[in-house]
Amino acid sequence: DGGITQSPKYLFRKEGQNVTLSCEQNLNHDAMYWYRQDPGQGLRLIYYSQIVNDFQKGDIAEGYSVSREKKESFPLTVTSAQKNPTAFYLCASAGTIGANVLTFGAGSRLTVL
Amino acid sequence: SQKIEQNSEALNIQEGKTATLTCNYTNYSPAYLQWYRQDPGRGPVFLLLIRENEKEKRKERLKVTFDTTLKQSLFHITASQPADSATYLCALDWGMTTDSWGKLQFGAGTQVVVTP
Repeated sequence: DGGITQSPKYLFRKEGQNVTLSCEQNLNHDAMYWYRQDPGQGLRLIYYSQIVNDFQKGDIAEGYSVSREKKESFPLTVTSAQKNPTAFYLCASAGTIGANVLTFGAGSRLTVL
Repeated sequence: SQKIEQNSEALNIQEGKTATLTCNYTNYSPAYLQWYRQDPGRGPVFLLLIRENEKEKRKERLKVTFDTTLKQSLFHITASQPADSATYLCALDWGMTTDSWGKLQFGAGTQVVVTP
């Protein structure tokens, strides 16, 4: 079945540590995205990538980094510079025709201890 | 900056009734307006989209309207069922323009609770 796989589902991190969230898709989509979701707020865009080896900052990129070395993969690193990293992180992908209909992964919940 | 407002209070509704959710936005009308469903601890799932030149769109028990004059979309779930209980998100989509490529803007969502 085609879809997006995020891992891990739950992650605990100590302050000062970097962590990397994995996102893999087999939908052959060109575009991939990372969103952050906090209670009572809409999804906020962290980074997005339209093609391999290219990505752009979203609205809240500070303290995060990404790479897009393969079409299928778009990992997100939450660095120690991110001041409030505890959140639910969602990866999504979309084709490039017409509307930007997103397919989301199941999410990764990061908790900083 | 663009703002999107959805009812923050949960909508409690009896099974069989119609649930109506609102999505209001400011500034510019998007090329498309999308609706997603999100269950607790899961990623959103796409339900419907409506284009700026469409007034109404239906899919099974779901109906979406889009009024660019009022800057509002309404989302209806008819003959609601307990399985419809979830949070529903609206998203503004400006389509494949250079500046907005892939950058949907989401509302915070409205929780719907359908009781038997």
